[in-house]
Amino acid sequence: ETGVTQSPTHLIKTRGQQVTLRCSSQSGHNTVSWYQQALGQGPQFIFQYYREEENGRGNFPPRFSGLQFPNYSSELNVNALELDDSALYLCASRRDREDTQYFGPGTRLTVL
Amino acid sequence: QQQVKQSPQSLIVQKGGISIINCAYENTAFDYFPWYQQFPGKGPALLIAIRPDVSEKKEGRFTISFNKSAKQFSLHIMDSQPGDSATYFCAASRDNYGQNFVFGPGTRLSVLP
Repeated sequence: ETGVTQSPTHLIKTRGQQVTLRCSSQSGHNTVSWYQQALGQGPQFIFQYYREEENGRGNFPPRFSGLQFPNYSSELNVNALELDDSALYLCASRRDREDTQYFGPGTRLTVL
Repeated sequence: QQQVKQSPQSLIVQKGGISIINCAYENTAFDYFPWYQQFPGKGPALLIAIRPDVSEKKEGRFTISFNKSAKQFSLHIMDSQPGDSATYFCAASRDNYGQNFVFGPGTRLSVLP
């Protein structure tokens, strides 16, 4: 196990709703990244947080937003859900200045 | 330029055989190349990683070969076992700039007993 936990495990929402996913980083890891993994594809980088500020973002619209808290846990918020948002959402944590990042088990989001 | 290409899409190998997965990248600013293994319903787990200053890295049955001039790298799994059956992703990163990992599309490996 990587020490990175995510909640909930599964989630079903309807189009137009809002969702919040949570991640608890491995102890001592101050950088967290979120990824979207559609079925049968590789993870796509959403954004990265370091010391509670976003410091990198992939090609995702502003309705994808996040937070990182002083204890380095984080949230991914998605507004106005669309059917294509159905995916496995992964968070990964690492220490600053280190390359190796550790992934959580993911949250499976289904948008109906 | 941010794309990482990966082949084959799927691979079937007999137990004890060698599994080879190839990746190619365009962005020469990438400086870290990991391979991840993912089982169904789980998050990706780091398998092995390499930096461009070496051409090969071996850890147990897993070897990365890296060709900087060709901008290609590959994963070799020696003595493949049924427990190796999973999806493998290569990735590339030029981190420390907030530009995080770019993943390949994945290779589904099946090792037959």
